[in-house]
Amino acid sequence: GESVGLHLPTLSVQEGDNSIINCAYSNSASDYFIWYKQESGKGPQFIIDIRSNMDKRQGQRVTVLLNKTVKHLSLQIAATQPGDSAVYFCAEALTGGGNKLTFGTGTQLKVEL
Amino acid sequence: KAGVTQTPRYLIKTRGQQVTLSCSPISGHRSVSWYQQTPGQGLQFLFEYFSETQRNKGNFPGRFSGRQFSNSRSEMNVSTLELGDSALYLCASSLGGTRNTEAFFGQGTRLTVV
Repeated sequence: GESVGLHLPTLSVQEGDNSIINCAYSNSASDYFIWYKQESGKGPQFIIDIRSNMDKRQGQRVTVLLNKTVKHLSLQIAATQPGDSAVYFCAEALTGGGNKLTFGTGTQLKVEL
Repeated sequence: KAGVTQTPRYLIKTRGQQVTLSCSPISGHRSVSWYQQTPGQGLQFLFEYFSETQRNKGNFPGRFSGRQFSNSRSEMNVSTLELGDSALYLCASSLGGTRNTEAFFGQGTRLTVV
């Protein structure tokens, strides 16, 4: 029979609006976090990272916010464009744990014209 | 600078066979990690190699193995293939020091087991 796939939450935004994608991470000891973007048929593409000694980090059109108290990560995309349509994953890692990344389930971002 | 290269891109194998996938990391990167991506389980860590040694291992059966060569290129092998092994296999490379740094992914190898 068919396998049951993960239910990906979907965020639909209008072109030009700001997008906020949220992620709850699992390990309170994690101290390194990354956001990835994955387009259909491609591997995950690095967007931005943040270490646990920071609460906020900005890149080009993107901002990552980290709230360690509630183990929450968010990715803000300014002036969302059609090319931003993809699945977005957060990933966590632990310094000293090598480069083992634990990924969230992902959020599908759909940009409407 | 060339990105992470995975070969082959697509593969069809029969149940019970074995398969070897290859990953060439970004030049200068010494850590290579492998992940399995399926609709049902999402992205799951298989193992990481650094300086030809396995540094981390995920919760996969022993049928899944890997190795890394002196030039940092890595291979993963899956023996006695099962239908459930059908997935996108991704490798990621990073500098690999004690401090985590960005991990960059290849395009993946799409394995279909029939």
